[in-house]
Formats: sequence, C-alpha cells, structure tokens
Amino acid sequence: DAGITQSPRHKVTETGTPVTLRCHQTENHRYMYWYRQDPGHGLRLIHYSYGVKDTDKGEVSDGYSVSRSKTEDFLLTLESATSSQTSVYFCAISEATWAEAFFGQGTRLTVV
Amino acid sequence: RKEVEQDPGPFNVPEGATVAFNCTYSNSASQSFFWYRQDCRKEPKLLMSVYSSGNEDGRFTAQLNRASQYISLLIRDSKLSDSATYLCVVILGAGGTSYGKLTFGQGTILTVHP
Repeated sequence: DAGITQSPRHKVTETGTPVTLRCHQTENHRYMYWYRQDPGHGLRLIHYSYGVKDTDKGEVSDGYSVSRSKTEDFLLTLESATSSQTSVYFCAISEATWAEAFFGQGTRLTVV
Repeated sequence: RKEVEQDPGPFNVPEGATVAFNCTYSNSASQSFFWYRQDCRKEPKLLMSVYSSGNEDGRFTAQLNRASQYISLLIRDSKLSDSATYLCVVILGAGGTSYGKLTFGQGTILTVHP
C-alpha cells in the first residue's frame, strides 16, 4: 500500500470552530489532492497541490483552505466549520498528472 | 451533463455470474482512464488502468472506446468478495480547466450473492 496517512481518522467538532486535517505521504509524489465524499455526490475535488507552496482550487473549495510547506504534508483547513462540511475527506497522491492516484484511509468529520 | 457518468445500479448477481459496467465521459481530451474499487466505509483503491487496446487482469477485463467515449469493465466468475462500489475515473488532458485532476463517476454498486 502507498504510504499515505491521514489524521485524525475521526473528528467531531462544533459549528464555527476551525479544523485542520493532515495528509502525510512517504512516497515523495509531487501531486496531492483533497476530496470529499458525500452520498449522491460521489468524490469531489476540494483543493490540490502540484508542488511545495503550489496549490489550486477544485470544484468545491468554498470554506476550505490548504497549505503545503513540505513535499510530504498537505493540510486542509476548515476556517469555520459548518454542518454542510460533515463528510468523509480523502487525501490522494500521484506522481504525475496522467497517473493513477492512491488514497489515504479517510477522515470522517462530523460538524454538530 | 456530468463529465463522467455511470449507471449507479445496484447490480445484484449470483456467484459465478458475468457482469459488465459501462461508463461514459464527456471530454474528448481525456487522456487517462481507470477503474477503482471502493468497499463500504473504505478508501477507493485502484483496480486497473484502462487502455485503448484493452487489458485483462485475471477475471477482470477493461476496455476503452475513444470514438464513443466510453469505458467498460467486465467481471467474470463473480465472487462474493467482488461486492463493492466500482468507480470510473478519468483524467483530462492538457488544455482543460480540470487538467491532470481525477474526475470520478458516481460509482456502480455491485452485490454478489450466494
């Protein structure tokens, strides 16, 4: 299995609080992605990174920010969590834009 | 129109059956194609890449038809352990706003019963 670790694996937080999810890889892959998965919507891209300090928005980026200060770490921050951000969040990595991606085990986030 | 469309199913088949899934994509500039498998409450895992020449891995065969913009997955001799959601994934080629990013279909649910 690809070396991807997401933390935390589960989190319950209150509306309005900031939350940071971490994705750590040991594969030295250039590309990293954050997706959310919700019933009826499938997997949707939140943000992605194509290198250290290089990030861009995906299709559902409102309310989220990201940072990548090191190749191995990609952080997703919910500045002020809302109930609509209750979801399962997956991090993924790939070595090239045309290549397959490998996923972390996911973080289940509940905003109450 | 969604960029990647799949029949959500569910498909319920007996052990030993052959089952086929199809997936269509809207952007002709798409360059890479995959099938992923996702078990309940788990992460998606790569099942196989899909090439124009078709490719086979044991009981699984994947094919790509660029002219018609569809991808197929055939599972022969279904096993109980094949029960999962199968995701069609497309990567857009250069020039599009989604360049290099995986785009997922909604998934097809397969249940194999004894």
